[in-house]
Amino acid sequence: GESVGLHLPTLSVQEGDNSIINCAYSNSASDYFIWYKQESGKGPQFIIDIRSNMDKRQGQRVTVLLNKTVKHLSLQIAATQPGDSAVYFCAALYNYGQNFVFGPGTRLSVLP
Amino acid sequence: DVKVTQSSRYLVKRTGEKVFLECVQDMDHENMFWYRQDPGLGLRLIYFSYDVKMKEKGDIPEGYSVSREKKERFSLILESASTNQTSMYLCASSSIRTVNQPQHFGDGTRLSIL
Repeated sequence: GESVGLHLPTLSVQEGDNSIINCAYSNSASDYFIWYKQESGKGPQFIIDIRSNMDKRQGQRVTVLLNKTVKHLSLQIAATQPGDSAVYFCAALYNYGQNFVFGPGTRLSVLP
Repeated sequence: DVKVTQSSRYLVKRTGEKVFLECVQDMDHENMFWYRQDPGLGLRLIYFSYDVKMKEKGDIPEGYSVSREKKERFSLILESASTNQTSMYLCASSSIRTVNQPQHFGDGTRLSIL
């Protein structure tokens, strides 16, 4: 079946450093990917998305990179701030509908 | 902004009870989804609906049913609650008006079955 996974369940970074969170997906036909941020006690919040015809997309302080050859995507957060502490997970749209497969998440902790 | 509202943030029920979780969205979205979220397992799809009175099973529908009588409301029903249904339940909605749209989530209902 479809699967999406993250390489690290936890990640700690110093405030001000850049963070990189990775994700791998299994279905080469997936054509749309999303990164979500989930803070404690809240639902997942959309951060950024990317379509398979792109390699890179930038938002405010965030960049998503997509490598279709190895079925890997990453989320880069520039100048990480305490408010970035949360669980981040990726989602891949698979090709028989509006449904996503979600990864288990990486907990990002920002150290003072 | 899209608003997905789940009726309860926390819920405690007993084994064997019939449990109703309610979700309302205000963006006229066609699609609505129910997930459960457990540590280390990610989000797993229980049921989804792409139109009023329509429903499709997700990956883990056993022990659950759903109801969508109005476009904005999607209910998840635990027919006879069991302790292994203790979990965080998340509702989401999305539009089909353009391709590749993100799902928008509510803040979840943390359900404990005793």
